[in-house]
Amino acid sequence: DVKVTQSSRYLVKRTGEKVFLECVQDMDHENMFWYRQDPGLGLRLIYFSYDVKMKEKGDIPEGYSVSREKKERFSLILESASTNQTSMYLCASTSGGGYEQYFGPGTRLTVT
Amino acid sequence: RKEVEQDPGPFNVPEGATVAFNCTYSNSASQSFFWYRQDCRKEPKLLMSVYSSGNEDGRFTAQLNRASQYISLLIRDSKLSDSATYLCVVRNTGTASKLTFGTGTRLQVTL
Repeated sequence: DVKVTQSSRYLVKRTGEKVFLECVQDMDHENMFWYRQDPGLGLRLIYFSYDVKMKEKGDIPEGYSVSREKKERFSLILESASTNQTSMYLCASTSGGGYEQYFGPGTRLTVT
Repeated sequence: RKEVEQDPGPFNVPEGATVAFNCTYSNSASQSFFWYRQDCRKEPKLLMSVYSSGNEDGRFTAQLNRASQYISLLIRDSKLSDSATYLCVVRNTGTASKLTFGTGTRLQVTL
């Protein structure tokens, strides 16, 4: 079974803090994705990566950056957290030619 | 206009009922179509792909109408365990494995 894990299920941070969200997949997938999910807005793509050290902006990249130094790990960074970044963050992965995205359990981030 | 639109529901149906959800997409170049299921406080998971000829998986039937740019999901003989949010998902040409998700339709099956 594909497994995608995220470093925390719940996280509370203060405004202005730097926040790291980690995602690890164990299926040697080329593509990895970071989404945020908000009520009424659904899943929105923040960034994705199709190879080590490669990244592309998604639909809402402002205020975020990413890092992919190893194939299995994709990190989302909030340089200076703000209250409007309070959300559920979901990581996903898929193989190069695949379309089924496998999601991690999500991290519920609250910025106070 | 959202790229993928769904009625948010909730659809409240009794056990054993048949229920159908529709979804419309705006990009005529959309290439592949899927339904994902998301249980409360859980991650989304692929339910089924949607093919032009229509496809069935047990009690679930998915259909695609490219001319009208809509996708449907039919659930027959609803079970309590079908209660979830159903996400309509499209993949556009040339975007590798990047997917666009609808906001989801919530289904609540009751006794």
